[in-house]
Amino acid sequence: AQRVTQPEKLLSVFKGAPVELKCNYSYSGSPELFWYVQYSRQRLQLLLRHISRESIKGFTADLNKGETSFHLKKPFAQEEDSAMYYCALLNYGGATNKLIFGTGTLLAVQP
Amino acid sequence: EAQVTQNPRYLITVTGKKLTVTCSQNMNHEYMSWYRQDPGLGLRQIYYSMNVEVTDKGDVPEGYKVSRKEKRNFPLILESPSPNQTSLYFCASSGLGGNSPLHFGNGTRLTVT
Repeated sequence: AQRVTQPEKLLSVFKGAPVELKCNYSYSGSPELFWYVQYSRQRLQLLLRHISRESIKGFTADLNKGETSFHLKKPFAQEEDSAMYYCALLNYGGATNKLIFGTGTLLAVQP
Repeated sequence: EAQVTQNPRYLITVTGKKLTVTCSQNMNHEYMSWYRQDPGLGLRQIYYSMNVEVTDKGDVPEGYKVSRKEKRNFPLILESPSPNQTSLYFCASSGLGGNSPLHFGNGTRLTVT
């Protein structure tokens, strides 16, 4: 079954420390993965997608098919990075393309 | 400005009193969807729509209805709300195809007493 797992509910780091938010997926086809971010009292917004191979706000994520992972990384955390982060998998199914979300990880960056 | 607009932002109601949460997008998106966000459960899809008059159940459709009479609007209807529907609700839209990201509304926090 298609599934996205984010094992950590909360990740607390100090400002300037490296950050890695874990995401593992289960998908039978070729996966298409995204990271969404939700800052306090704001809407969810797309942070990055693996097909773009981009770096947004210093964050990167590499798809590792061998480990079925798509971890989100940033070398030096900033306080403004504190937010809820969701990993999502696009599930292609006939006429329906559906995003499957993980349960989210709350990143708290301490000063 | 391209956006998804939900109303109201906050709603407190009592068990059994019908309510509607509106959602409108101005991006001419075919796909629209409703999610509920609960602590520890993440985002779960309630209903989605691929186009006008085309709606389908998501993962947790029980107790909800939707309609898609116009492309821009996708209201969420709770005919008889119950306390277990207390949640934060998000509407989202996108074009069809994997490269089109989901655009989310600001959310509606519903409390059913």
